[in-house]
Order: sequence, then structure tokens, then C-alpha cells
Amino acid sequence: QQQVKQSPQSLIVQKGGISIINCAYENTAFDYFPWYQQFPGKGPALLIAIRPDVSEKKEGRFTISFNKSAKQFSLHIMDSQPGDSATYFCAAGTDKLIFGTGTRLQVFP
Amino acid sequence: GAVVSQHPSRVICKSGTSVKIECRSLDFQATTMFWYRQFPKQSLMLMATSNEGSKATYEQGVEKDKFLINHASLTLSTLTVTSAHPEDSSFYICSAQGQGATAEAFFGQGTRLTVV
Repeated sequence: QQQVKQSPQSLIVQKGGISIINCAYENTAFDYFPWYQQFPGKGPALLIAIRPDVSEKKEGRFTISFNKSAKQFSLHIMDSQPGDSATYFCAAGTDKLIFGTGTRLQVFP
Repeated sequence: GAVVSQHPSRVICKSGTSVKIECRSLDFQATTMFWYRQFPKQSLMLMATSNEGSKATYEQGVEKDKFLINHASLTLSTLTVTSAHPEDSSFYICSAQGQGATAEAFFGQGTRLTVV
């Protein structure tokens, strides 16, 4: 019940394209769903987060879509740029976070 | 977002020695701090949760006598790796969470520990 499954493991996207990363959780008590971006040798940085009372949240080029009934949420990166190349982690939890396994995104010019 | 400072960013130590890593919340009071360990190309594994002024709660499989956590103030938590061995070499990351209902947590820059 504590797992957060993330896919794909790696993703290659052309510049200007849309990157989509998916996560699924099991624990229905989870009420906070953030996405983090991590560059090599650095700590994760919070990108965007959502709570289950909304189905979508958009901040700039980043959008979270949330499906409470399916217990799934996804990150969409519009107009992907080479600078977006990083590892992305979803997480879910209440007072503490369970992290997904990560997606390595590469955006080619 | 809020700033969490972790120090040192890199440390090399000899087997058998102890290493202390500091995690500071610079612009907010962190009632809860978390310590994670991350192996290369893997996800973050929660080691322990610490609340200011109380004992840390360790995740299953994490040796509390080996990984000493102190959260003496609302802005500082420390992780001490005692009697370090090469298998303790890893990337250690802290995160800090403020007061209130939000679970929003901000991460430090991480510490690369190498035990030789």
C-alpha cells in the first residue's frame, strides 16, 4: 500500500515536444502529490504539486493531471527544452512522502 | 520556494570514523525534517523522520545506532554516520517541512559521502 509506481524509466523527447510521465499510487489516504526535478549531484527541487481536490494544475509549461478514482497522476511538460533534461520523481503521501522510481528525461535539440 | 542548506556537499572519510552532515532551513521553521539516502540512478529512500525536540523515527532496516539524527532546533537537524564503512558511501539528502497542514517539503543540495 506504500508503493508509488512511476513510468517510463527513461524518456527521449525532441525539443518542442511534450514529455509525459505517469505515476500510480495505492494508498487512498495520500493527499499530497508533488513532482520533483533532480539534476546529477543535486538535491531534488519541487516543480509542482497537487492535492486531490482538483483534477489539474498548471504552472507555466508544467501540468499535473490527477485521477483520483484511478489513483493515478501524471506530469506533462509542454514545449520541452534541452534544459529540462533531468531525472523526475513523483511522490505521494500525507505527513511523509513515498517516492516513485524516477524517470530520466532527455530532450534533444 | 523555501531554502534548505545542507553541508558539506562532499566528504571523504576513512573507515571507522564518524561524519556529521548538517541540514538547515534558512527562511522558515522546520518542525519536521527527513533524511534520505540515494544510490546512483535510484530513487530516494527515506531513512528517518525527525521532529524538533523529539527522537527520530527510523524506517525499517535503518540502524538507528549507526545513523544518529538530532533535531535540536526548528532550523537545524544533523545526521551522523558513525563508524562509517565503504558500504555507507552514498548520496544523503535532507528535506525540511514547515508547520501547518501542508506536506510541502524542500530539499537540501545533498551530501556525497565516500568512505575509503
